[in-house]
Amino acid sequence: DAKTTQPPSMDCAEGRAANLPCNHSTISGNEYVYWYRQIHSQGPQYIIHGLKNNETNEMASLIITEDRKSSTLILPHATLRDTAVYYCIVRANAGGTSYGKLTFGQGTILTVHP
Amino acid sequence: GAGVSQSPSNKVTEKGKDVELRCDPISGHTALYWYRQSLGQGLEFLIYFQGNSAPDKSGLPSDRFSAERTGGSVSTLTIQRTQQEDSAVYLCASSPDGLAGGRTQYFGPGTRLTVL
Repeated sequence: DAKTTQPPSMDCAEGRAANLPCNHSTISGNEYVYWYRQIHSQGPQYIIHGLKNNETNEMASLIITEDRKSSTLILPHATLRDTAVYYCIVRANAGGTSYGKLTFGQGTILTVHP
Repeated sequence: GAGVSQSPSNKVTEKGKDVELRCDPISGHTALYWYRQSLGQGLEFLIYFQGNSAPDKSGLPSDRFSAERTGGSVSTLTIQRTQQEDSAVYLCASSPDGLAGGRTQYFGPGTRLTVL
């Protein structure tokens, strides 16, 4: 699976948009970009994923560059409860020997402050 | 609907004892994964089940670790002769079908294991 690079930490004011970047310059054509977050003492929570097109759901938006070498997770109106570690993961199709397992990096610690 | 559940939520044991950790995946999910997260470390993959078979055990750290899954549902992770370095949060995740690309994994709350 392709490796990802994320900033170790970011701050955001409550109510503002949080934009979390991720670089995945070695991504392959069949690899998806996944975002998970982990709030303290909880299991990781799925946020969103995409292949090429931008995606939006009730939690967030995912913007993927045209060359697919980077992406941005956008939390449009951050709240204090969004404080968490955010993981950007590139995952191969589950064919072959990867079987869909997720490889977590260190992620970005997002702190939302009042 | 019900999410992934794990039990116990916390387990304290003495070095050298065996422990069993349980995972109940989301009903109907055929793929099941075990991960662990040590203090200050990232999440690391342990084992993957498709149905009752485990085609990928590459993350199990030693032969003291084993896992099984029965009835395509509940899974048990067993650690024999526990060591202090086994202390970690053990996380289980399930997915509708691990053989298809783009399948989302849903995680349980984890079991925090402390080996004294």
